[in-house]
Amino acid sequence: GAGVSQSPSNKVTEKGKDVELRCDPISGHTALYWYRQRLGQGLEFLIYFQGNSAPDKSGLPSDRFSAERTGESVSTLTIQRTQQEDSAVYLCASSKGVNTEAFFGQGTRLTVV
Amino acid sequence: KQEVTQIPAALSVPEGENLVLNCSFTDSAIYNLQWFRQDPGKGLTSLLLIQSSQREQTSGRLNASLDKSSGRSTLYIAASQPGDSATYLCAVKGSNYKLTFGKGTLLTVNP
Repeated sequence: GAGVSQSPSNKVTEKGKDVELRCDPISGHTALYWYRQRLGQGLEFLIYFQGNSAPDKSGLPSDRFSAERTGESVSTLTIQRTQQEDSAVYLCASSKGVNTEAFFGQGTRLTVV
Repeated sequence: KQEVTQIPAALSVPEGENLVLNCSFTDSAIYNLQWFRQDPGKGLTSLLLIQSSQREQTSGRLNASLDKSSGRSTLYIAASQPGDSATYLCAVKGSNYKLTFGKGTLLTVNP
């Protein structure tokens, strides 16, 4: 595709429900990143994929958060038993290699009510 | 642990001024440094990427410099316009391939 695509763009969910956020990176990009941005805050690193493997999961806030990537393409970020503090914009980025420009999607705005 | 600091946190200038945004980082073992802009409610738009071996990059009215040894980068914006109003973010990619961001500089260019 022309850019990084994220879906849904907005998601409202009830506390305790599970949610899945999707990221389609730019075709051919092997590196993929997930970040979280709470309202008025900076970007918080969640996880990084190189191909299908995740060498750095250090940013996942708790065991309720998990992510996978298949076929060196689509990635999904799953949040189980959502809490109100999970409300944020979740941003995905991809880059062709480890030392090239990173491009971001428009994000998924998650609201837990 | 890499830490990235951006100064100032906010800046308001009249249209036409030249301005400088500052970024500093604590660990000089980086692969590259990237400047982004973020408009309210939007994702991040890449502005410039500087590799660790480079000293500067230019794109239109934007010029970014990198002094890796001192852990500093500056983004120079020439002849600012109201459309430049946004939050500007600096990010460094370290040896663990993670992009670490500063908290950004909120720029307002007044007509």
